[in-house]
Amino acid sequence: RKEVEQDPGPFNVPEGATVAFNCTYSNSASQSFFWYRQDCRKEPKLLMSVYSSGNEDGRFTAQLNRASQYISLLIRDSKLSDSATYLCVVNTGGGGNKLTFGTGTQLKVEL
Amino acid sequence: EAGVAQSPRYKIIEKRQSVAFWCNPISGHATLYWYQQILGQGPKLLIQFQNNGVVDDSQLPKDRFSAERLKGVDSTLKIQPAKLEDSAVYLCASSLRQQNTGELFFGEGSRLTVL
Repeated sequence: RKEVEQDPGPFNVPEGATVAFNCTYSNSASQSFFWYRQDCRKEPKLLMSVYSSGNEDGRFTAQLNRASQYISLLIRDSKLSDSATYLCVVNTGGGGNKLTFGTGTQLKVEL
Repeated sequence: EAGVAQSPRYKIIEKRQSVAFWCNPISGHATLYWYQQILGQGPKLLIQFQNNGVVDDSQLPKDRFSAERLKGVDSTLKIQPAKLEDSAVYLCASSLRQQNTGELFFGEGSRLTVL
């Protein structure tokens, strides 16, 4: 089983739609969780952290379910500019930053 | 503030040749990472440095890959000899310290094509 698993997509959605991505992780000792965004042929950039209580940043909501070992990202009112690959990232490094990336889920927002 | 600098941006070589990539992290960032990203996959950690010491190199193919960060600042990743399956983008990243923050700052990457 992979350490971090994501549905690769692509998810093709119309502008204004709500879309959700899930990600599962295998190491129950994982300490922290993140979503990164990667535009085509660009480097990954941190989108948001994922907290146990859930967190929201504008149109983006991230949630964590430790019991089921999955995290989710919800994007409301999708914009064309949201088209990108969303990488689920899990920190399994104890006190340090050992970040394991998922394969990524590709989102295409269309007119 | 200057970001993570990498060079070269693109490199095309034949199999069995050697190649080297250079990375200069953000000033003051103690932790430096090299990731390999094959097309259609997520970045895979090759090696992690804390200052000039290796923290994790468990996924580095040591028979052909080597990396160093001699003075705890910039770093070089070398592949010798290259194989076809080494075609990928090599991403360098840095973070302020070895902390559980999750925020890595990536360079634009070095795209390697092995023919």
